[in-house]
Order: sequence, then C-alpha cells, then structure tokens
Amino acid sequence: DTAVSQTPKYLVTQMGNDKSIKCEQNLGHDTMYWYKQDSKKFLKIMFSYNNKELIINETVPNRFSPKSPDKAHLNLHINSLELGDSAVYFCASSPAGSRYEQYFGPGTRLTVT
Amino acid sequence: AQSVTQLGSHVSVSEGALVLLRCNYSSSVPPYLFWYVQYPNQGLQLLLKYTTGATLVKGINGFEAEFKKSETSFHLTKPSAHMSDAAEYFCAVTLTGTASKLTFGTGTRLQVTL
Repeated sequence: DTAVSQTPKYLVTQMGNDKSIKCEQNLGHDTMYWYKQDSKKFLKIMFSYNNKELIINETVPNRFSPKSPDKAHLNLHINSLELGDSAVYFCASSPAGSRYEQYFGPGTRLTVT
Repeated sequence: AQSVTQLGSHVSVSEGALVLLRCNYSSSVPPYLFWYVQYPNQGLQLLLKYTTGATLVKGINGFEAEFKKSETSFHLTKPSAHMSDAAEYFCAVTLTGTASKLTFGTGTRLQVTL
C-alpha cells in the first residue's frame, strides 16, 4: 500500500564506511529524486532520474552515487562517509504529466559517528 | 535562479485561530509555487499548488494560498487552526520549463496551543 518506501529508516554508521539507501515507488511514476534535509530542516535536491536517466545532478560530492535499476527504484550509495553526511535523506517520485507534484518517502535518518 | 523566503521559522497560534504562514518568492519567469507539510518523523506531503489560472488555490485540510504577483507572495492560510495542524510547513518554487527541480524555503514550524 505504501507509495514511496525507503529502507532503512535509520542508519547509524562510522566515518569511512560505505552505505546504501534504497527507494521504491509503486505509483507508476517515471521520475524519482533524492533530497537531503540537514539538521536545520533545509531541503535540497541532490539527484533526479527520469526513466533510469539522470536528469538533475546538483553539486554533490562524488562520494554520492545514485543508481536506478528500473524506473520504480532509485538507490543512493555513499562512499567514505563523513560526519557532515549526517542528515535525513528523502526519496520522492513524480508522474510524467506533473513533475512538480512530488510524492515523498518517509525518509532515512543517517547518523555518521 | 529562483528562491523562496519563509518569514518566521516558528509560528504559534491558539486552536481555532487564524493560521498565516508567509512565503515570498524570487523568480525571473512565472513560477509554479507549492506548500508542503511535514509531520514529525514523516516525509513531505503536498498541501496545495499554484501553476496557472486562479490565484487563490485551495488545498487539503482546509488550507488555501493566494498567489500575488505584485507582492511576489504565496502566503498560506487556514481560518481555524486545529491541534492536528502542528507540523513543519515548507514553501517551494519551480520555474516553468524546469518543473522537476523544486527549491524549498527553510520551513516554518507551526505550533497550535489550547
């Protein structure tokens, strides 16, 4: 029943580790996004994929690599985690006819120690 | 480039009182404007949107917003606050033609007291 789901919900890891966050949407949307929300609640887009093709790639360290195996999934892999990567990461999706109507997942709270 | 400014990081109202959350935008071309709500430990949910047409737009949960081009504003209102309205509210903008890329404001936390 969940429209946009993310796993895991919480992720605690040490500096230098590599981790992945998974996102899946069952809405039939063709565009998916990753956003980062910092400790001050500021939301910033990181990446967007349309039908498995990267269409938005903001200024993000190349330690972050999105992967879209199909249009229902968009995963985020982070290498060599740093303290500053601690944040809540949101996945979102939008339909072809209304890219601005974005549906958000529940978020993944990443804590790097 | 587009941007939004939300005035007031924290707004407190009594239950039953008017809710007014302010948002001003900056855009060189006609914008699309949005309000999203984030309840604690949840993702964002679209409240309402303005794209074209009627400048007063109604959303879910009794909220509405009015696009005022002359004031570059898109303030969110609700006539009577309910305890369940307590949440973080985000204004967002995107430019026509780049409809994928939402730029969010810094958010306003709404507190509703008895």
